[in-house]
Amino acid sequence: DAGITQSPRHKVTETGTPVTLRCHQTENHRYMYWYRQDPGHGLRLIHYSYGVKDTDKGEVSDGYSVSRSKTEDFLLTLESATSSQTSVYFCAIETAGNTIYFGEGSWLTVV
Amino acid sequence: DQQVKQNSPSLSVQEGRISILNCDYTNSMFDYFLWYKKYPAEGPTFLISISSIKDKNEDGRFTVFLNKSAKHLSLHIVPSQPGDSAVYFCAATLGGGTSYGKLTFGQGTILTVHP
Repeated sequence: DAGITQSPRHKVTETGTPVTLRCHQTENHRYMYWYRQDPGHGLRLIHYSYGVKDTDKGEVSDGYSVSRSKTEDFLLTLESATSSQTSVYFCAIETAGNTIYFGEGSWLTVV
Repeated sequence: DQQVKQNSPSLSVQEGRISILNCDYTNSMFDYFLWYKKYPAEGPTFLISISSIKDKNEDGRFTVFLNKSAKHLSLHIVPSQPGDSAVYFCAATLGGGTSYGKLTFGQGTILTVHP
């Protein structure tokens, strides 16, 4: 399972509230990623990190911010959740062999 | 602009036969390709990958073929098993020797394998 843990696994929140999703890895991988998956779409990249305090935007980064203060944790924050951010969020890590492994997902509903 | 396309939303196959899942891409700069399987309420599971310097990669029942001139790749599953029933995603990345995880995904193909 590549040692990836996402939390929370399920969350319902109200429009306008802040939400933080956490991705924790146990194997000291340098690269970490946040994706979202929506019906009719494959996964789309939100943000990624290539080391502590080094992050960059992906394809669908508007409305999201990230932080990585420790190698093992990559946080995704929705500063003010909107209904369009109702989605399934997947964290991923990249191994030294360039294989990308995904976590189990965090189901977020914004009402 | 959909840079990676899986034009078949679904595929139905009999157990024991071959499943062929197809994927087309438009960006000729993509140089690394991956296939994932996804069950409902779970994360994508890595199946197999291929670099653009190869045209075939095999791992057990799974084989990926890459046709760079046609910008087309396919995943063959032989023999297909009912447990293979899932959504299959192809993904592509620029790689380039740095980060490979900035993936562009297709929309997915639902594979159903009937006993």
